[in-house]
Amino acid sequence: GENVEQHPSTLSVQEGDSAVIKCTYSDSASNYFPWYKQELGKRPQLIIDIRSNVGEKKDQRIAVTLNKTAKHFSLHITETQPEDSAVYFCAASGPVTGNQFYFGTGTSLTVIP
Amino acid sequence: DTAVSQTPKYLVTQMGNDKSIKCEQNLGHDTMYWYKQDSKKFLKIMFSYNNKELIINETVPNRFSPKSPDKAHLNLHINSLELGDSAVYFCASSRMGNQPQHFGDGTRLSIL
Repeated sequence: GENVEQHPSTLSVQEGDSAVIKCTYSDSASNYFPWYKQELGKRPQLIIDIRSNVGEKKDQRIAVTLNKTAKHFSLHITETQPEDSAVYFCAASGPVTGNQFYFGTGTSLTVIP
Repeated sequence: DTAVSQTPKYLVTQMGNDKSIKCEQNLGHDTMYWYKQDSKKFLKIMFSYNNKELIINETVPNRFSPKSPDKAHLNLHINSLELGDSAVYFCASSRMGNQPQHFGDGTRLSIL
C-alpha cells in the first residue's frame, strides 16, 4: 500500500518568514496530493491540492510543488502570520490505493509573533 | 448549514460496550470515509464507501463496521469497545474519485 512520510514533525518560524513542509510517497501510481490544515480542536480543512499532471500550484501565500520522479511534494507558506499556526497534513491518493487517502504524520507549525 | 455533521460530539463509555457514531453529509457527495485520529494526531483511514464499494483498511479490527442506510449517511458501529479505541473519529465525504474531502467536526470517544 501507499506510505506517506512528512517532515519536519514540528516547525517554528518568526512571523513574516517562510515555512516549508515536505512529504514523500511510495506509490508511483498516486496522482492526487492534497494538503490539510487542522487548528487545535477543529476539523482538517483543505488548503491546497495538486494533481500529477502539474508541477506547481499557487494560491496567494500558499504554494505546493510536486516532483513525480522523486516522489515528493512540498508545501510552501510565505509571509507567515500567527493564524497560520496549526497542524498541517499532506496526503496521497490514487487508483491503486482504491482512491483512499493516506495521510502524512503531520507538521505542527508555530508562527512566533 | 453544516456540510458534514457527526453525532455525538463526545462519547464516554465503558470498556466492552457497543456504540455507534452517526454521520450525514448534505453535499450530494458519492463517497464517504471514516478516519481515526489518535493522541499523536495521526490521521488513519479506516473505511471508504460509495454506493458500489466498501474499501476497508486491512488494519481495522472487525469490531468496527460501517453502515450506510443511504448515500448521505455513513454510520460507524463499534462492538466490544477497548481502551485503545479512545481517539477522535472523523467522518468525511467527497465526490467519487480523487476529489477534495470535507470533514465533519469529529467525535471524541473516551473509553473508561
